[in-house]
Amino acid sequence: NAGVTQTPKFQVLKTGQSMTLQCAQDMNHNSMYWYRQDPGMGLRLIYYSASEGTTDKGEVPNGYNVSRLNKREFSLRLESAAPSQTSVYFCASSEALDRVQRAFFGQGTRLTVV
Amino acid sequence: QKEVEQDPGPLSVPEGAIVSLNCTYSNSAFQYFMWYRQYSRKGPELLMYTYSSGNKEDGRFTAQVDKSSKYISLFIRDSQPSDSATYLCAMRGGFKTIFGAGTRLFVKA
Repeated sequence: NAGVTQTPKFQVLKTGQSMTLQCAQDMNHNSMYWYRQDPGMGLRLIYYSASEGTTDKGEVPNGYNVSRLNKREFSLRLESAAPSQTSVYFCASSEALDRVQRAFFGQGTRLTVV
Repeated sequence: QKEVEQDPGPLSVPEGAIVSLNCTYSNSAFQYFMWYRQYSRKGPELLMYTYSSGNKEDGRFTAQVDKSSKYISLFIRDSQPSDSATYLCAMRGGFKTIFGAGTRLFVKA
């Protein structure tokens, strides 16, 4: 079972460039999440999607947009990358929003903005 | 003050030792308490979670929650080199989940 798959695994961007991080899950989960992980800090929620067709802001949404393309896929877009967005990004999914304690995570995308 | 505090370590122990990992928190609304293991350059993997207070055991791992002290622990018995990883605690209240920054553990053979 693939679980949660993220692409790409690594990316280097120049300041001002845009890119989309892709995430797909094959567990038929309703809820999906995007987190960022920075040294010395816990995972912080950027955006989440409780179910297909809905998205909501998390703790640190500025500079990001998301699209819940269908039940399987949830993408994260950086419209104009900034060095402060250098981070490791994780996508996660769970059966429902109130099952987030049993979330499954992808392998992460390491993004560097220069 | 962070809502969840976790000592970053690193914590280095010999193989076979009992490991104790801890987190403190300030928000009494947290009801679910999770522990994740994260190997280098990998995603977090859920080890176990508990609801409210008490203990939960799964193989060599025991999670303990003391809500009166706002303190949670993860014990690893008979630690193995393969347990070397970063351990993240996380806590959920309602639809809000907060993660600790993680403790790096090294188990020496």
